[in-house]
Amino acid sequence: GAGVSQSPRYKVAKRGQDVALRCDPISGHVSLFWYQQALGQGPEFLTYFQNEAQLDKSGLPSDRFFAERPEGSVSTLKIQRTQQEDSAVYLCAGKVGETQYFGPGTRLLVL
Amino acid sequence: TQLLEQSPQFLSIQEGENLTVYCNSSSVFSSLQWYRQEPGEGPVLLVTVVTGGEVKKLKRLTFQFGDARKDSSLHITAAQPGDTGLYLCAYNQAGTALIFGKGTTLSVSS
Repeated sequence: GAGVSQSPRYKVAKRGQDVALRCDPISGHVSLFWYQQALGQGPEFLTYFQNEAQLDKSGLPSDRFFAERPEGSVSTLKIQRTQQEDSAVYLCAGKVGETQYFGPGTRLLVL
Repeated sequence: TQLLEQSPQFLSIQEGENLTVYCNSSSVFSSLQWYRQEPGEGPVLLVTVVTGGEVKKLKRLTFQFGDARKDSSLHITAAQPGDTGLYLCAYNQAGTALIFGKGTTLSVSS
């Protein structure tokens, strides 16, 4: 994609642990999206930012999920008290025009 | 209920074979997009189809949008191992979030 990076690439967490996933979009990505992709499935929308404003968080599966983008660039997706069903790949995308450019994702495994 | 139904779910073929994968819905879309996702990477946009009946070609890949704008297909001619990946169709909900189908996992062996 257009240089979207995510860290860490892999995260193993014990059930009940809090995790923070980071997304670094390219400068100029006004819009930023988070998606969750379960194994063998297509990505599912979680939340969307325009600059620092979170305009849509309708896809967040529970109140354990929280996302922020305080300065309108880097974004963090935080999951509190992780559960096994949170195991998935978490993708971040920046939007240029009508095209979304995805990062490589963070693969989260909750044991 | 999945709004975009993709078929087949899995496809395993030999190098040189042709194949078609489908993206179907009962809804009408202003446009549909096709993505390819390789293992360990995010989806990459291949094409956007906008007009009913439209055909777009990208090297050995041919994309078609149904006349009624409810379905789309992707045809690959003479598949190569480099075509291996997850093929996803998606539409843009209200110009923001992408809504994806479950995808077709393609494996091409040499």
